[in-house]
Amino acid sequence: SQQGEEDPQALSIQEGENATMNCSYKTSINNLQWYRQNSGRGLVHLILIRSNEREKHSGRLRVTLDTSKKSSSLLITASRAADTASYFCATVLTGANNLFFGTGTRLTVIP
Amino acid sequence: NAGVTQTPKFRVLKTGQSMTLLCAQDMNHEYMYWYRQDPGMGLRLIHYSVGEGTTAKGEVPDGYNVSRLKKQNFLLGLESAAPSQTSVYFCASSYYLGQKNIQYFGAGTRLSVL
Repeated sequence: SQQGEEDPQALSIQEGENATMNCSYKTSINNLQWYRQNSGRGLVHLILIRSNEREKHSGRLRVTLDTSKKSSSLLITASRAADTASYFCATVLTGANNLFFGTGTRLTVIP
Repeated sequence: NAGVTQTPKFRVLKTGQSMTLLCAQDMNHEYMYWYRQDPGMGLRLIHYSVGEGTTAKGEVPDGYNVSRLKKQNFLLGLESAAPSQTSVYFCASSYYLGQKNIQYFGAGTRLSVL
């Protein structure tokens, strides 16, 4: 499979703490994206980082990309109960058009 | 602006029955996709379309057919449902492919095949 793999599979933290989840992938990519999925809903795009970028910020989100290690991390700072969701990384492989999704990290933020 | 709308939201089928899932988008996106989501498997691409009248196979196309007769609609058909097709199905659309391929998803259809 060309999917990414997220780590950990599940994460439970207290409100106000930071949450870090990681994604590893197998082959050369064009870009890597993170999506959020609330329970029973569709996925929502959060952020895209290109293969020539190392770090990107969007509000309370910080994404890093290390192409030499074929890995990315998503940091959510000052978490809120509303951040409770599953988070998926998705890669666009070099020369390809479509997304390959990872297996997801289920984040629970306890109020 | 509704975005991506999927119908129905839930469906129960008996083995061997057929059904069609409808996806509609109002964002004038050229590209549309059908995924299935199974526990522990993430999303897997079934079929996709790069424009009206075109379709292509994804990662897990067997047992499914699709049609894109109008730009805004993408239909997923199951001709003879099997229990292995019990899953949650998501439709998505995007304005670009490749480097700028950011996808917008519907709320999903939960299908059970008995």
